[in-house]
Amino acid sequence: DAGITQSPRYKITETGRQVTLMCHQTWSHSYMFWYRQDLGHGLRLIYYSAAADITDKGEVPDGYVVSRSKTENFPLTLESATRSQTSVYFCATSPLTSGLYNEQFFGPGTRLTVL
Amino acid sequence: QKEVEQNSGPLSVPEGAIASLNCTYSDRGSQSFFWYRQYSGKSPELIMSIYSNGDKEDGRFTAQLNKASQYVSLLIRDSQPSDSATYLCAVLGGYNKLIFGAGTRLAVHP
Repeated sequence: DAGITQSPRYKITETGRQVTLMCHQTWSHSYMFWYRQDLGHGLRLIYYSAAADITDKGEVPDGYVVSRSKTENFPLTLESATRSQTSVYFCATSPLTSGLYNEQFFGPGTRLTVL
Repeated sequence: QKEVEQNSGPLSVPEGAIASLNCTYSDRGSQSFFWYRQYSGKSPELIMSIYSNGDKEDGRFTAQLNKASQYVSLLIRDSQPSDSATYLCAVLGGYNKLIFGAGTRLAVHP
């Protein structure tokens, strides 16, 4: 059981290019999340999704687009990459739709460098 | 804006000692709290969750919650070098979103 996988694990791109980071889960968890982690800022939420076709902005959504046509996939697209989007990106999932016990589980991450 | 504060460290403790990691949060209505461990270059790993005032123990880890003081802590007994990592405190906000602190780096030296 792979759980959460992210691809690619490492990506180097150039300013202005479109980049898509993939997140796939095998648990059928309702919630999925995208975070970025930068030194000095900790984990910041970019977008999240409560279910297929339901997405919403997090703390730092500008420059990113998400979609969720299937429960198991939650791709994150950088429409026109900028150097400030150089970061480590984590996908996370949560099995519950509501309540106290909302534990989130993280994928292995994608290290993105924008030159 | 809801905030979660942690001392960035590093917190240095000798092997076998108790490591005490602290976290404060601003939203008095918060109900659920989590501790994640993150090794360098790896993803965060959930190690403890706590929802009620008091202590919750799991092996060498004890989470402590004081909602009146808006304070949550993590104690690691018999610290080992393998415990050296960054520990992230997280608080459940609205819409099942977690708000993370910046993390405390723990270094356990032999």
